Amino acid sequence: SQQGEEDPQALSIQEGENATMNCSYKTSINNLQWYRQNSGRGLVHLILIRSNEREKHSGRLRVTLDTSKKSSSLLITASRAADTASYFCATDGGGSNYKLTFGKGTLLTVNP
Amino acid sequence: EAGVVQSPRYKIIEKKQPVAFWCNPISGHNTLYWYRQNLGQGPELLIRYENEEAVDDSQLPKDRFSAERLKGVDSTLKIQPAELGDSAVYLCASRGNTGELFFGEGSRLTVL
Repeated sequence: SQQGEEDPQALSIQEGENATMNCSYKTSINNLQWYRQNSGRGLVHLILIRSNEREKHSGRLRVTLDTSKKSSSLLITASRAADTASYFCATDGGGSNYKLTFGKGTLLTVNP
Repeated sequence: EAGVVQSPRYKIIEKKQPVAFWCNPISGHNTLYWYRQNLGQGPELLIRYENEEAVDDSQLPKDRFSAERLKGVDSTLKIQPAELGDSAVYLCASRGNTGELFFGEGSRLTVL
């Protein structure tokens, strides 16, 4: 079963534009993580935000978390063609569970 | 530091044949995961190990799937016999100290 649900399923933008992807989840979390997956490759961790944090930045990435709405967003600023990939949110239920549950992903296409 | 290593990268077999996938996690990572990813979907957890103990195998189809992690280091996932619906990418990951997962490149299985 998949806890997180990304929106939109697919997003196509021009190079230099910003890309925003959203993630909604159902149960309480310890943290929420975003991953990128290039076609035919494994997933790469981008950023982790804890349940007591509201916003986090890493380079051109900005992640927000709203636990009251059970939602998160990933913003990629000044997108590049190399950002073309699938992006997944994953929720960690916390405790000693260490179970990371992934959504279905957003396919981002950045056109040069 | 070497990443998570998986083999083989690709495997094509006929249905009812057995297949095995191997994973070597990052050195020192005690938690190891096997995920299955169908085309256009997010990864779904099959089994999670803490050292050599399988602590979450609730989603592993135990009639045909088996896994082991002897000595708490590398791990093997086996399918016997394979069915057409098993065609997918099998991803191995290990968990870092701050909760992020490091993924291998995956093993793409095609069952004919």
